[in-house]
Amino acid sequence: GENVGLHLPTLSVQEGDNSIINCAYSNSASDYFIWYKQESGKGPQFIIDIRSNMDKRQGQRVTVLLNKTVKHLSLQIAATQPGDSAVYFCAEGSYGQNFVFGPGTRLSVLP
Amino acid sequence: DTGVSQNPRHKITKRGQNVTFRCDPISEHNRLYWYRQTLGQGPEFLTYFQNEAQLEKSRLLSDRFSAERPKGSFSTLEIQRTEQGDSAMYLCASSLPTDYEQYFGPGTRLTVT
Repeated sequence: GENVGLHLPTLSVQEGDNSIINCAYSNSASDYFIWYKQESGKGPQFIIDIRSNMDKRQGQRVTVLLNKTVKHLSLQIAATQPGDSAVYFCAEGSYGQNFVFGPGTRLSVLP
Repeated sequence: DTGVSQNPRHKITKRGQNVTFRCDPISEHNRLYWYRQTLGQGPEFLTYFQNEAQLEKSRLLSDRFSAERPKGSFSTLEIQRTEQGDSAMYLCASSLPTDYEQYFGPGTRLTVT
């Protein structure tokens, strides 16, 4: 299958530990942010989103934090599982505008 | 099938040939997007449609590229006179007009030899 992100920054975590993936975005006018997960051979899959009027949003095992002051976004994955191994992208945008994706981080879950 | 589908999944072509890819969006989604993704990079926006109207094109979309969505349903992306630099994954996504979230297809991997 497709080998996504051969030269990406890699985060290695032990199975069961928490993971934190960081992203710096560029446009202070962006008002919507998404985290996508991409496995080899597949298109990006939506994980969680957050609007600029929030600083934290929680999903199932995932939390997104937004710091607009420093234009920073993070994705926290609780109790990381082998199935979480993938490349993770943040994307920023505004309604009616197109998303700009970050460079991605490869998450590798160690048994 | 309720997801975005793309065909073919893989395409190998010789430099100078023309190629065409197809995207079938989720049926009730009237927005359709094309992105290009190279190894180690996030997807880069190419163009998008609302129904059959092509509303925006990136400067990445040279005059060798053309996209259509004639009936507001499926879309095609054609690359003429392919170059080795066109080798990439071409992703299609669709969304509702009132929704930020874009649903991606599996992509078409193009290799130009």
